[in-house]
Amino acid sequence: DAGVIQSPRHEVTEMGQEVTLRCKPISGHNSLFWYRQTMMRGLELLIYFNNNVPIDDSGMPEDRFSAKMPNASFSTLKIQPSEPRDSAVYFCASSLEGRVGQPQHFGDGTRLSIL
Amino acid sequence: AQSVTQLDSHVSVSEGTPVLLRCNYSSSYSPSLFWYVQHPNKGLQLLLKYTSAATLVKGINGFEAEFKKSETSFHLTKPSAHMSDAAEYFCVVGSGNTGKLIFGQGTTLQVKP
Repeated sequence: DAGVIQSPRHEVTEMGQEVTLRCKPISGHNSLFWYRQTMMRGLELLIYFNNNVPIDDSGMPEDRFSAKMPNASFSTLKIQPSEPRDSAVYFCASSLEGRVGQPQHFGDGTRLSIL
Repeated sequence: AQSVTQLDSHVSVSEGTPVLLRCNYSSSYSPSLFWYVQHPNKGLQLLLKYTSAATLVKGINGFEAEFKKSETSFHLTKPSAHMSDAAEYFCVVGSGNTGKLIFGQGTTLQVKP
């Protein structure tokens, strides 16, 4: 079975540029989560969707960040404009039904470097 | 509110010796608990989960964890460490009645030859 697929795996860009990260969840999963991982702050939940609807975006750091889920098989996380402090590894995860007890399945992440 | 505390930020063992990674949780009701492993430059992989069934949970790669309600603990163990076990391990508790997870700060496991 295909797992969660993220692209690109690596992104290096200059500050001020728009960055778009992509995620394809596991087929049949209806909850999707975006995380950011840094050495300083560990793993932070940015936003999560249930049935394509954003449920909790309280972790989104500021208005420069936005996320969409136009259909059940695709989501994007966009940063515009990007800043050096956005450099991190961004993970997408999906789960079935988003209920307690359901594990999340993670992609391999996008390593983002903003110069 | 739910929370989880991993008691050791770094654990070092010799290959072939037992592994113990400690985790305490806080939850106002019966929790769902997980252990995830993260190898370098990879995503998090589920090792095992507890969801109010058997208190001793067996996972992949020979790992297991025991849920102890009286001690609010969910420690991860393995009888004999392999070099390939060197990674970051996260203890995780499910949050409320949503699908959100609360992650511990992680424990780095070093395995020496």
